Amino acid sequence: GQNIDQPTEMTATEGAIVQINCTYQTSGFNGLFWYQQHAGEAPTFLSYNVLDGLEEKGRFSSFLSRSKGYSYLLLKELQMKDSASYLCAVRDQDGGYNKLIFGAGTRLAVHP
Amino acid sequence: DVKVTQSSRYLVKRTGEKVFLECVQDMDHENMFWYRQDPGLGLRLIYFSYDVKMKEKGDIPEGYSVSREKKERFSLILESASTNQTSMYLCASSRTRFPDTQYFGPGTRLTVL
Repeated sequence: GQNIDQPTEMTATEGAIVQINCTYQTSGFNGLFWYQQHAGEAPTFLSYNVLDGLEEKGRFSSFLSRSKGYSYLLLKELQMKDSASYLCAVRDQDGGYNKLIFGAGTRLAVHP
Repeated sequence: DVKVTQSSRYLVKRTGEKVFLECVQDMDHENMFWYRQDPGLGLRLIYFSYDVKMKEKGDIPEGYSVSREKKERFSLILESASTNQTSMYLCASSRTRFPDTQYFGPGTRLTVL
């Protein structure tokens, strides 16, 4: 079957570093996305990994290990505006089509 | 910037009504998607389309249908709304070739009474 797990909630302090983990089990893995979603707004694209390793983009980095079915999103120098839900999504090839399978999301609260 | 718009941010309908949710994208994307988002369940794919007049069922198509008469427009139809279809509905689009990042609209919060 297909399954994506990530923690439901996390809290962190402004200026700190936080790591949001995602584990997945899919039959036709073809890449992994991270999206940010502020309350009441649309998800917006943060990062994409298809090969093992770390992708860095400013304060945000994303890591992938395909053999372990594991990814994490690393947020550095946290700001209050980083309070949001972070969605892990796996691109799964099914019947010739690529579909995204989303985790339930991790709600991050950043405190002063 | 890619822009995906949805016809309504909030909608209240009664059980049994026919409901149309419209989505328009302005980037000439081939692919369009409809999801619903419920607390604790994440985004679940209802239907998607890879071309005009083409549609494919997603993971939860029951109770829904779609229409794609033009490339930029993808409509979600609830033939007879039920209370368990109360949810946030999100439309997304992407181009076919790599990278096929999906871009989302602002969502429609539908309440069925």
